[in-house]
Amino acid sequence: DAGVIQSPRHEVTEMGQEVTLRCKPISGHDYLFWYRQTMMRGLELLIYFNNNVPIDDSGMPEDRFSAKMPNASFSTLKIQPSEPRDSAVYFCASRGQGAYRPQHFGDGTRLSIL
Amino acid sequence: LAKTTQPISMDSYEGQEVNITCSHNNIATNDYITWYQQFPSQGPRFIIQGYKTKVTNEVASLFIPADRKSSTLSLPRVSLSDTAVYYCLVGLRGTGGFKTIFGAGTRLFVKA
Repeated sequence: DAGVIQSPRHEVTEMGQEVTLRCKPISGHDYLFWYRQTMMRGLELLIYFNNNVPIDDSGMPEDRFSAKMPNASFSTLKIQPSEPRDSAVYFCASRGQGAYRPQHFGDGTRLSIL
Repeated sequence: LAKTTQPISMDSYEGQEVNITCSHNNIATNDYITWYQQFPSQGPRFIIQGYKTKVTNEVASLFIPADRKSSTLSLPRVSLSDTAVYYCLVGLRGTGGFKTIFGAGTRLFVKA
């Protein structure tokens, strides 16, 4: 089975530009998570979805961040406008419904805002 | 959610058994304990999960005492490729309100 697929793997852009990160979860998984990882703050949960519906977005740092899940096989995380402090590795993870379901992570998008 | 405390780093040698202990004094009755492993430039990878006593799989063992206020991840006969960051998580599974909070993790460095 294919794992969680994220694109792009690397993104370098200038401050003020819009950034869109993409995620394809594992087929059949009901939950999708977006995380951000930095040296200073470690792994932070930004938002998660259940059956395409956002459940908890309390980790989204500010209004410049938005996430959508238009269908069960695709999600986006947008930053507009981007700032240098948004530089981080962004991970997407998915998991199935029910007991004993661990999260499966993608390999992340390394974002650099200049 | 219960907060977890782990050693920041550990060193070991190839072939040794490594035990990483995690403290979670405020664990709730319904909480499970989950461990993840993360290599550089990769996302975290699930290792093992348990509720009480002992759980073993092909990769590791997880020991949980009766009071469940701590847990120990045991890696038998580590190799250089086990050098990674190991995260201990405590949280309720399988509900809409489930949240995962990763701590700082334990950096394990395996030497030849």
